[in-house]
Order: sequence, then structure tokens, then C-alpha cells
Amino acid sequence: QVQLVESGGDVVQPGRSLRLSCAASGFTFSSYGMHWVRQAPGKGLEWVAVIWYDGSKKYYAESVKGRFTISRDNSKNTMYMQMNSLRAEDTAVYYCARASGYYLFDFWGQGSLVTVSS
Amino acid sequence: DIQMTQSPSSVSASVGDRVTITCRASQGISSWLAWYQQKPGKAPKLLIYAASGLQSGVPSRFSGSGSGTDFTLTISSLQPEDFVTYYCQQANSFPLTFGGGTKVEIK
Repeated sequence: QVQLVESGGDVVQPGRSLRLSCAASGFTFSSYGMHWVRQAPGKGLEWVAVIWYDGSKKYYAESVKGRFTISRDNSKNTMYMQMNSLRAEDTAVYYCARASGYYLFDFWGQGSLVTVSS
Repeated sequence: DIQMTQSPSSVSASVGDRVTITCRASQGISSWLAWYQQKPGKAPKLLIYAASGLQSGVPSRFSGSGSGTDFTLTISSLQPEDFVTYYCQQANSFPLTFGGGTKVEIK
């Protein structure tokens, strides 16, 4: 069965960096695009970024463009999000999700909490 | 960016009731709309894709309709496990955007 497991969430100070990972299993990872979606405490869902199945294309939300970088290692069945220059407003649960046709999310991980606070 | 407006933000209903949630896009998105269900503390789950397609394993009491800018999610007969939050999402173009969510509460 499809499994997505996020890791790397932590409490960090504003301006610092953090890297999230999403380990995939139960499907052919190298055939699917992948997304990051976040949810601030008590708030709605916000799409963050997508990466094509082969890493050839990447798109970002304006709110993270230039600070966050999505990447993947298909040999390790793992996707990453490098988050730099973190701000308080980046505080959220970060979900990785498998893309269905690139514009939908058909399977989600359990989420990883990132807290940006001094 | 395409803005998605969901209404109502919350609705009170009883087990067995029929509930309809609406979602409006700021511009036409054809049928490129999805609905998700989120239980407290859990990840969202895909219910409906392409406005009316039922995701595998989702009960038939859930249905979606609409095209262009106006869409609806209908739950025909609410079950106890349906009293959670629902989100619409436009699947037309990046950046992907969600509605603000609708919480279905027990009356």
C-alpha cells in the first residue's frame, strides 16, 4: 500500500534553515510527481510546491519562492524540502502528497510539524 | 492566482441529513476541481476529482457536481464519521489553491 512518511520537523529560530524529508513506499516513486502542502495551526490548507516525476520541473507558491527548494532522489524513493530564511508565518504542519496528474493529491503523509519561533 | 471561495464556513446538521457545500472559483476552471475530507489531526483525503468523479473507496453518499466557476459537494445522508472538515481545490493551474474549508458539525 502507498505510504508517505515525513520527517525533519522541528522548532527553529527565525532566519534559520531546516530540511524536511518524505520517504515513499508501496508505489513506483520515480513515476509520480510529488507535492508539499502545509497547514498552519487551526488554519486551512496551502499548497507549497510540486516536483515532476523526474525532477525536471518545479513550481512554488509565491510565499516560499526563493526561500524553499524542492528536490527528490528517485534512487532513495525520497523527496525533500530545503527551507531557508524561515519566518514565523512558515509555522505549520507540512504534508507530502503524491500527485495524481500533477494537479491533485491522491495520497498524503501524516505530516511533520515545523515551528518557527525565537 | 485563482481564488476559491467555499460556503458555508460551517454547517450544523443531524445524522441522516442531506448537506450541500458550495465552492466558487474566481475564474473558470472547467471541471478541474477536487474535494477533500480532513478529520482532526489527520491528513486530508481525496473524495472527489474532476468535479464529479468518486475516488476509489469513497462511499457513494458523497457526490460532486458543477463546472466553470460553481461547484457543489453533497453528502446525501450524513453518517457520524462525516462530521469533519471539507476543502475544495482547483486543479486547473499553478499555484494550486484551496477553499477556506467547511466544518460540518452535529446539530
